[in-house]
Amino acid sequence: EIVLTQSPGTLSLSPGERATLSCRASQSVTSTYLAWYQQKPGQAPRLLIYGASSRATGIPDRFSGSGSGTDFTLTIRRLEPEDFAVYYCQQYGSSYTFGQGTKVEIK
Amino acid sequence: QVQLVESGGGVVQPGKSLRLSCVVSGFTFTSHAMHWVRQAPGKGLEWVAVISYDGSNKYYGDSVRGRFTISRDNSKNTLYLQMNNLRSEDTAVYYCAKSGGGGYRSQFDYWGQGTLVTVSS
Repeated sequence: EIVLTQSPGTLSLSPGERATLSCRASQSVTSTYLAWYQQKPGQAPRLLIYGASSRATGIPDRFSGSGSGTDFTLTIRRLEPEDFAVYYCQQYGSSYTFGQGTKVEIK
Repeated sequence: QVQLVESGGGVVQPGKSLRLSCVVSGFTFTSHAMHWVRQAPGKGLEWVAVISYDGSNKYYGDSVRGRFTISRDNSKNTLYLQMNNLRSEDTAVYYCAKSGGGGYRSQFDYWGQGTLVTVSS
């Protein structure tokens, strides 16, 4: 099983700042089958990024994804108030596993 | 618009059974694999099961294999999860999710709002 480790566990930032979230896989992720999801309290997850770097429908361009192999990054260029949430990475190249999540909180 | 609506959650005793349903609309159900994902209270996401677009292939996570069964009725645009021999550690919000493509190697592009299953005596 591919284990995904996200860091940091919590990111404390102010609106307007840049957020950089990391996702490291225990083995190489097949063909960049790596996605990022955003989840707000009491809501279902929402797809942000798939294929490591492609934005899902309706996702603002302040969200970007990068990486390959075992190291992936989600960047939020300038945090808006609605971006404070928990973010999960997921690999879907070898079964399906999620990282433990990174909480982006208001500083 | 795409909609996925789960139902069937509730409180159930350990060892008992429960069946969840997920009614979908707004896309061609018969063209997409479908998943169940769960989230224990205050915890992260755990993939539970996937079923192919035609129901011919099914795969399960290690923690539920042999106890849970995923199925679909394409004539009713409905996905199911039959959960048997429930344990306290199965307590979670259960989400159904749509595969972005027809096959298995795809992101989960739409999710339902979830249904809470509580296993307790």
